Amino acid sequence: GAVVSQHPSWVICKSGTSVKIECRSLDFQATTMFWYRQFPKQSLMLMATSNEGSKATYEQGVEKDKFLINHASLTLSTLTVTSAHPEDSSFYICSAQQGYEQFFGPGTRLTVL
Amino acid sequence: RKEVEQDPGPFNVPEGATVAFNCTYSNSASQSFFWYRQDCRKEPKLLMSVYSSGNEDGRFTAQLNRASQYISLLIRDSKLSDSATYLCVVLKTGTYKYIFGTGTRLKVLA
Repeated sequence: GAVVSQHPSWVICKSGTSVKIECRSLDFQATTMFWYRQFPKQSLMLMATSNEGSKATYEQGVEKDKFLINHASLTLSTLTVTSAHPEDSSFYICSAQQGYEQFFGPGTRLTVL
Repeated sequence: RKEVEQDPGPFNVPEGATVAFNCTYSNSASQSFFWYRQDCRKEPKLLMSVYSSGNEDGRFTAQLNRASQYISLLIRDSKLSDSATYLCVVLKTGTYKYIFGTGTRLKVLA
């Protein structure tokens, strides 16, 4: 139980394009999901908290207009990186909350050329 | 000071060795703590929660020291498959947010 999927697992795009990443809880409902970013040899940094049916809450320093989050259902949250640039290249990981525990998706590796 | 601090390592140990990692946290009001394991280019996976009384799961033992604000992870009889990065996680007080340490890299050598 408590499986979270992410799609795509990797994506390469040109600078200036937008990329959408999906995060799904497969066998449970999650009113809260989280989006993280991890640069090489660094830890996971929380970007935002995604709440079903309401606006996401962004961490300090994360541009909400650049990283659009939509949590339209209890099993799906999406992160759209708008006008992506090379510095946005990173490993993006989502998690879905169940109780106090978070279950992580397998991550999406984004490379912006 | 970072909210959660870990020695990044790497810790290189021979198979069969016992190895311990520490993690310190800055908020004395923190209540929930976890150890996660992350393999290269993979997502973190829960290794174990850390309880006040300490807890053990096979070769792994977690301890919490509230007075000194640190948690520890002890791995006995290290296996090659234990090679990974071990992430200390503290639940941010009053929220469901996880605060991750930078991780400690372990390499178990044959």
